[in-house]
Amino acid sequence: NAGVTQTPKFRILKIGQSMTLQCTQDMNHNYMYWYRQDPGMGLKLIYYSVGAGITDKGEVPNGYNVSRSTTEDFPLRLELAAPSQTSVYFCATRTGASYGYTFGSGTRLTVV
Amino acid sequence: AQSVAQPEDQVNVAEGNPLTVKCTYSVSGNPYLFWYVQYPNRGLQFLLKYITGDNLVKGSYGFEAEFNKSQTSFHLKKPSALVSDSALYFCAALNNAGNMLTFGGGTRLMVKP
Repeated sequence: NAGVTQTPKFRILKIGQSMTLQCTQDMNHNYMYWYRQDPGMGLKLIYYSVGAGITDKGEVPNGYNVSRSTTEDFPLRLELAAPSQTSVYFCATRTGASYGYTFGSGTRLTVV
Repeated sequence: AQSVAQPEDQVNVAEGNPLTVKCTYSVSGNPYLFWYVQYPNRGLQFLLKYITGDNLVKGSYGFEAEFNKSQTSFHLKKPSALVSDSALYFCAALNNAGNMLTFGGGTRLMVKP
């Protein structure tokens, strides 16, 4: 049982490049989330999904896009990378009945 | 909008001594509160939660948290700190719709031998 798997673990992007951060879960959880964690800061919610086909914006959605075509996958897309998007990105899930979140191990992204 | 505050960036404690990591919250309605721990280069791990019931909540690794409604606080505690407890600790609150977790800024706990 892998839980929440994020790929890649590390990535360096040049300004203006695009990339997709992958998140896959095998727990059949309805809710999935993308957070970013800046140095010395707490986590900020980027986007979330309450089920396949449903997504919604969080606190800091600008510069990002998401899709949720299946229960398992919740990719995060950066279209035009900017230095301000340098951060550690965490994907998380939870079931509808439980309030406990399960986090992936994170993707460290640097935009130069 | 709800908010969570952790007033201390860092807490230093000697091994064997009790520790407290502070958290205050501002939410409308009944608060659903959580503590998470983050070790270096790892994701967040769930420690404990308060949903309803007893004000003293027991969690993983010997941690507990005290919910105080009048002071809007949810402080994390442990009677005897271990060096291995050194990590980054986050307090969080769930919104009323149950679909968004708001985090505090985190407190780094340093336990020295």
